[in-house]
Amino acid sequence: DQQVKQNSPSLSVQEGRISILNCDYTNSMFDYFLWYKKYPAEGPTFLISISSIKDKNEDGRFTVFLNKSAKHLSLHIVPSQPGDSAVYFCAASVAAQKLVFGQGTRLTINP
Amino acid sequence: NAGVTQTPKFQVLKTGQSMTLQCAQDMNHNSMYWYRQDPGMGLRLIYYSASEGTTDKGEVPNGYNVSRLNKREFSLRLESAAPSQTSVYFCASRYPGQWSSGANVLTFGAGSRLTVL
Repeated sequence: DQQVKQNSPSLSVQEGRISILNCDYTNSMFDYFLWYKKYPAEGPTFLISISSIKDKNEDGRFTVFLNKSAKHLSLHIVPSQPGDSAVYFCAASVAAQKLVFGQGTRLTINP
Repeated sequence: NAGVTQTPKFQVLKTGQSMTLQCAQDMNHNSMYWYRQDPGMGLRLIYYSASEGTTDKGEVPNGYNVSRLNKREFSLRLESAAPSQTSVYFCASRYPGQWSSGANVLTFGAGSRLTVL
């Protein structure tokens, strides 16, 4: 039972354009959502997060949008840069307990 | 400032062998976690320790045991390794409490790649 799903295993985007990574969840009790970024042979690193009481959170080139009615989360990267090429995981939590992760989306930024 | 350190980085085992993955953090975090990453499955929680002296099962605990040795160290043991346990294992730690941007988030180690033949 995958509570957090990233249905696109991979995404390829031109440098300078917008990258949009999507995530769906099934548990309406999730109250916090996070995105992690992972480079090969490294551990995941925190990127950006959003509370369920908000619908948008922005940090530089990264914006996370939350649509609670659709149980959908998205990460926008504008403009995309070659260094953004990585695997991106969305994750969700209930009451600050353990994180449940999605399967990951491999983003490739083409020059 | 090392963060979260995992050893070994690579290990090859034969079916039925046992081994322990070690994890240590120097950030004075209370909570520690073990995840495994498999293709198409993302990161799945094996066990976690909310604080020193406590451990709890995650999504996929079968075949594993853990020990929270002290506040810094959290080890994962495979008593009788199986090919299904071939994976990349990540240890993570955090302060307890509400998640917030940049604070109280999980900090991961670099991973331990385990192959069971």
